[in-house]
Amino acid sequence: AQSVTQLGSHVSVSEGALVLLRCNYSSSVPPYLFWYVQYPNQGLQLLLKYTSAATLVKGINGFEAEFKKSETSFHLTKPSAHMSDAAEYFCAVSGGGATNKLIFGTGTLLAVQP
Amino acid sequence: KAGVTQTPRYLIKTRGQQVTLSCSPISGHRSVSWYQQTPGQGLQFLFEYFSETQRNKGNFPGRFSGRQFSNSRSEMNVSTLELGDSALYLCASSSGQNNQPQHFGDGTRLSIL
Repeated sequence: AQSVTQLGSHVSVSEGALVLLRCNYSSSVPPYLFWYVQYPNQGLQLLLKYTSAATLVKGINGFEAEFKKSETSFHLTKPSAHMSDAAEYFCAVSGGGATNKLIFGTGTLLAVQP
Repeated sequence: KAGVTQTPRYLIKTRGQQVTLSCSPISGHRSVSWYQQTPGQGLQFLFEYFSETQRNKGNFPGRFSGRQFSNSRSEMNVSTLELGDSALYLCASSSGQNNQPQHFGDGTRLSIL
């Protein structure tokens, strides 16, 4: 069965600093991994997806993530945080098989300090 | 291209009532999934519909049901509402091919009094 674990329910960075949000996965099959962002009172917006084509995945808003099979990780990074990045971030793995079911991590709330 | 539309955005019900939530997917998308989001349990998968058939189901009681119409629009129904059903219900659509990114609506906030 697939699962994801997000380390750190709250992360705080200064504006302009590196953003690093951690995600580790467990999967019995080659995983499809996703990062989503949720702003207050909104749904989830897709940041990026890993589908085995390349280990370094670039997404929207300057975010990227690197798939490391040896570490079963898919951490999200952004070189320089902006105030508008403050939101909750979710890592998710596709359930595998004939489905689009997503299994989500518990989320990381990112705060950006001026 | 219009995004995923969920109606209503907010809903207040009392225990024992039933409720129907609606979701219109992105044009051309044939798969619609529903998720429940609560502070305690996080994001949990309810079910997925593809071409009017339920393709996958999460671990929720039978009070939670859904359906999909021929135009891919979907409805979700919850009967005999309980206080614990208070949540944000999110609908997501995708092309229907396996493991494709899902595009989410803004959700329906359901409050049970």
